[in-house]
This record gives sequence, C-alpha cells and structure tokens, in this order.
Amino acid sequence: EVQLVESGGGLVKPGGSLRLSCAASGFTFSSYSMNWVRQAPGKGLEWVSSISSSSSYIYYADSVKGRFTISRDNAKNSLYLQMNSLRAEDTAVYYCARDGWGRKNDYWGQGTLVTVSS
Amino acid sequence: EIVLTQSPGTLSLSPGERATLSCRASQSVSSSYLAWYQQKPGQAPRLLIYGASSRATGIPDRFSGSGSGTDFTLTISRLEPEDFAVYYCQQYGSSKYTFGQGTKLEIK
Repeated sequence: EVQLVESGGGLVKPGGSLRLSCAASGFTFSSYSMNWVRQAPGKGLEWVSSISSSSSYIYYADSVKGRFTISRDNAKNSLYLQMNSLRAEDTAVYYCARDGWGRKNDYWGQGTLVTVSS
Repeated sequence: EIVLTQSPGTLSLSPGERATLSCRASQSVSSSYLAWYQQKPGQAPRLLIYGASSRATGIPDRFSGSGSGTDFTLTISRLEPEDFAVYYCQQYGSSKYTFGQGTKLEIK
C-alpha cells in the first residue's frame, strides 16, 4: 500500500525557517517524481515544487522561488521542503504527492500545517 | 502561465441527479496532462480522472471526464451522498502545475 506521511509543520514567525519531510513507503520511491502542493485555510490547491526521480529536474512556483528548496533522499525514501524567509501568506497545509507518470498526482499524504504568525 | 477557471463555483443538486462541472483553460492544454481531483473536508485530494478521460484506480464508473483544447468537463452520472465535495481540475505544462479554483458540489 502506497503511503506518504508528512511531518515538520508548526508555528513559525515571519522570516523564520522550517523543514518539512515526507516519508514514502509501499512503492519504489526512486522511480517517481514528487511534488509539494499547499492549501491555505479555506482556499484552493496551489502547486509549490516538483523534483524528478533522480533530482535532476527541480521546479518551483514563482511564489516560493528563491525561498524554498525541494530535495529528496532516495536511500531513505524521503522528500523534503526547506522553507526560508517565511511569510504570512505561506500559511497552509502542505501535502506531498506522488507524480504517477503522466503528470497526475495519484497519491497524497495527509498534509502538515504550517502557520506563519508573530 | 495557464489559468484554469472552473464553473460553477457552487453546484446544488440532489442525490440521483447528474452533475456537470466545467474547467476552462486560458490557452490550449494537453489532454494527456489534465486531471480532476475530489476533496472532502479535512482530507487530502483524491485523484479521479487523468489524461482528461481515464478513471483512476478504484473510481466508480459514474465519474467520467471529457474535453480537449481549452474546455474540459467532469460528469457524475448519478450523484451518491458521498460525492458531495469540492472538485478541482489540474493541468501540467511548461514544467508547472496549475489548479482551478474548485467547484463545490453541495446537497440541495
């Protein structure tokens, strides 16, 4: 069974940093691209970042470029999102999702809440 | 950047009725990269349709997708109580994903 479990969320002050993790199991993690998608309270879904299976290709939404860094450790079946210079508008539930070939997010974690507030 | 506009914003229907949800793109989208998701309160999104018309694993056949170019449709043939949720379309292009703003399907 495919499982994605996010962790690392919490309350952080504006300008602060946080590192999210996503532990994957039930599939060959090293064969799939992965995505981070966020959802602000009461709002819709927003793609944040993507990383290819071997980390060769990395992309970011304009809203986080230069502040967030996506990475992965295939030996540990883990995906990460380093978030720096956090702003109030980064407050959201952050989901990791598997890109199940064909650019479809076929499995999602349960999400981790990041709150940026003083 | 391709913008996806979903309509209506809210759709009020009764169980047993047919639901038609629209997703319009600001420019042509590859059908291969058009997906639909369902999200219930407090839950992660669930993939329903990919490649514009292919049902994901375990999705009932009352869900169907169609369309091409800039106009795509998600149809639920006969609504079940568990279908009332928010639905999002998503496209991939130029190394970016974009989502529509969502359609809330509520019980009338």
